Amino acid sequence: GAVVSQHPSRVICKSGTSVKIECRSLDFQATTMFWYRQFPKQSLMLMATSNEGSKATYEQGVEKDKFLINHASLTLSTLTVTSAHPEDSSFYICSAGIMAGTPYNEQFFGPGTRLTVL
Amino acid sequence: TQLLEQSPQFLSIQEGENLTVYCNSSSVFSSLQWYRQEPGEGPVLLVTVVTGGEVKKLKRLTFQFGDARKDSSLHITAAQPGDTGLYLCAGEFRSGAGSYQLTFGKGTKLSVIP
Repeated sequence: GAVVSQHPSRVICKSGTSVKIECRSLDFQATTMFWYRQFPKQSLMLMATSNEGSKATYEQGVEKDKFLINHASLTLSTLTVTSAHPEDSSFYICSAGIMAGTPYNEQFFGPGTRLTVL
Repeated sequence: TQLLEQSPQFLSIQEGENLTVYCNSSSVFSSLQWYRQEPGEGPVLLVTVVTGGEVKKLKRLTFQFGDARKDSSLHITAAQPGDTGLYLCAGEFRSGAGSYQLTFGKGTKLSVIP
């Protein structure tokens, strides 16, 4: 099956610093990548949709200047949390979509990145 | 906003028992996917159902998509401790100009006691 990796798996940083998370599709080319956020005991909340070579589309309430997304190639997307604060601590998960069209499209999820901001 | 109501939120059962998890919405989805997530890991796709009324089986797991493609269920027969985990349903819908998204239910945390 399709494999998606994320790096780093865990990161601890000081408040005010920036953190970059990488998402890679290892054995397929993903036209679209998605970034989710998951708080403890809660479900996944979509933050943004990223298409290769174009600007990301952010969900309502997600600050685009704080969560910078770059999708430079069909196999790599990055999420940078700028000026991180303790409330940004969360589990960040990316997924890569194979836009096969009909009848449906599948997303394959990375293993997630646990961000802790002190 | 597409909403998916998933129930129950928590389920603790004895090994060998059967269980059903439900996923309901007022919206029609082009497809519905079921995932299982272990703590500290990303969700793993179990199955995708597309056609109204569709039933898919994966060993002891049976997935059904409602006729109107607004609801789905996951039934586990003779649950095993290895089935313990967080089960998530996610509905696919088309948004904007041809793009698509997944909206997730809140999940069902299943514990199977040996």
